[in-house]
Amino acid sequence: ETGVTQSPTHLIKTRGQQVTLRCSSQSGHNTVSWYQQALGQGPQFIFQYYREEENGRGNFPPRFSGLQFPNYSSELNVNALELDDSALYLCASSWGGTMETQYFGPGTRLLVL
Amino acid sequence: KNEVEQSPQNLTAQEGEFITINCSYSVGISALHWLQQHPGGGIVSLFMLSSGKKKHGRLIATINIQEKHSSLHITASHPRDSAVYICAVRSGNQFYFGTGTSLTVIP
Repeated sequence: ETGVTQSPTHLIKTRGQQVTLRCSSQSGHNTVSWYQQALGQGPQFIFQYYREEENGRGNFPPRFSGLQFPNYSSELNVNALELDDSALYLCASSWGGTMETQYFGPGTRLLVL
Repeated sequence: KNEVEQSPQNLTAQEGEFITINCSYSVGISALHWLQQHPGGGIVSLFMLSSGKKKHGRLIATINIQEKHSSLHITASHPRDSAVYICAVRSGNQFYFGTGTSLTVIP
C-alpha cells in the first residue's frame, strides 16, 4: 500500500507567477484535502475534493483552485502568486468523506520571492 | 477569535511525566482530530473522535461534546513524543485547526 506523495518537495517562484502542486492519494482513497501552513502557524483548510467534485472550501480566494482526477490524484493551482503564499502546502487523503482518518503527505514547501 | 483554541502553546516535561493538552472549539462539529507534527512538517493523524474516549498505546483522547472540549493525554512521556500536537475540527464543509501545542520532553 503506497502512502500519500506530493511533488515537488520544494519550489521557489516569484510574485505574479503561477504554480501547480501535485498529490497522489493513498491507494483506495477517494477524498483529498489541501491545507496551507505558514511558518509557526497551524494548517488552514483550502479545499477538499471527493470523487472529483469540490466538497468544501476554506476562506481562500479564487486564485487557489484544484482538480481531482479519476485516479483520485489531485492538483492545487495558485495563480498570481503573492509573497504571503509562501508556506508548506499539505495534502491529505481519506476514504468516503471527512469522517474518516486522513493520511497526510510530506508537503511541498513554496517560497515566493 | 479562532474557532479552535489550544492550551498550552508550549509545554516542557520531564521524561515519565503525565501530559495533558487541551482543545476548545466554538462551532458545531461532526468530528475532532488530534494530529502530531514533527520538525520538517510531516503530520500523522493520532485520533478522530466524535464522542467519548479513545486510547492508543500511551495516548488517550477524550471529547465532551456538550462542553465543546477535548483533551489529549500522554502517559509516561518519552523524548520521542516531542512534537507539535494540533487539534482540528470538521464543521459542515469546513476544517478548522488550532495553532498547535509544542511539546518538548526532556530525558
